[in-house]
Amino acid sequence: DIQMTQSPSTLSASVGDRVTITCRASQSISSWLAWYQQKPGKAPQLLIYKASSLESGVPSRFSGSGFGTEFTLTISSLQPDDFATYYCQQYNSYPTFGQGTKLEIK
Amino acid sequence: EVQLVESGGGLVQPGGSLRLSCAASGFTFSTYWMSWVRQAPGKGLEWVANIKQDGSEKYFVDSVKGRFTISRDNAKNSLYLQMNSLRAEDTAVYYCARLPKYRYDAFDIWGQGTMVTVSA
Repeated sequence: DIQMTQSPSTLSASVGDRVTITCRASQSISSWLAWYQQKPGKAPQLLIYKASSLESGVPSRFSGSGFGTEFTLTISSLQPDDFATYYCQQYNSYPTFGQGTKLEIK
Repeated sequence: EVQLVESGGGLVQPGGSLRLSCAASGFTFSTYWMSWVRQAPGKGLEWVANIKQDGSEKYFVDSVKGRFTISRDNAKNSLYLQMNSLRAEDTAVYYCARLPKYRYDAFDIWGQGTMVTVSA
């Protein structure tokens, strides 16, 4: 199994801040990584695929980078709608997810 | 509008069975790999199963192998998950999700989820 580890588990930030969430894979996954946003009681929504490709309709303040085992999701300027939980997912083999990062209002 | 709508969740006793359904609309269902993903209360996401466009290939997470079956009816634009020998640890919201291109891929469309509770 490929284990995915996100950090931090919780992040407190303010509107307008630039924030970065990190995801590490237990072995190389090339660029086969996705990022999702999930709000309480709702299904996850795809933000980024193939490590850095922005899904259609997702605001450009979201960006992804990385290759191999280390990846980041960056939100350039936090908006009120961005406070949610974020998950990474690898799909180099059968899919596994990180444990999630809850982004809270400071 | 591209949409997935799950149904069939509910309360079931340990050892019991349940069949989940997912109705697809707004896209050509028969041309996509499809998946089930679950989320236990307050926990993270776990992939459960995948099925190929024609149903000829199926893959499962180890914890459900031999207990769960995935199937599809392309004529009805529907995906199914038959869950047998249910355990307390199967309690979760179950989402159906679309894979845009490959067996292993990001999940680009999700349903709203259906809750399965396994309890005596």
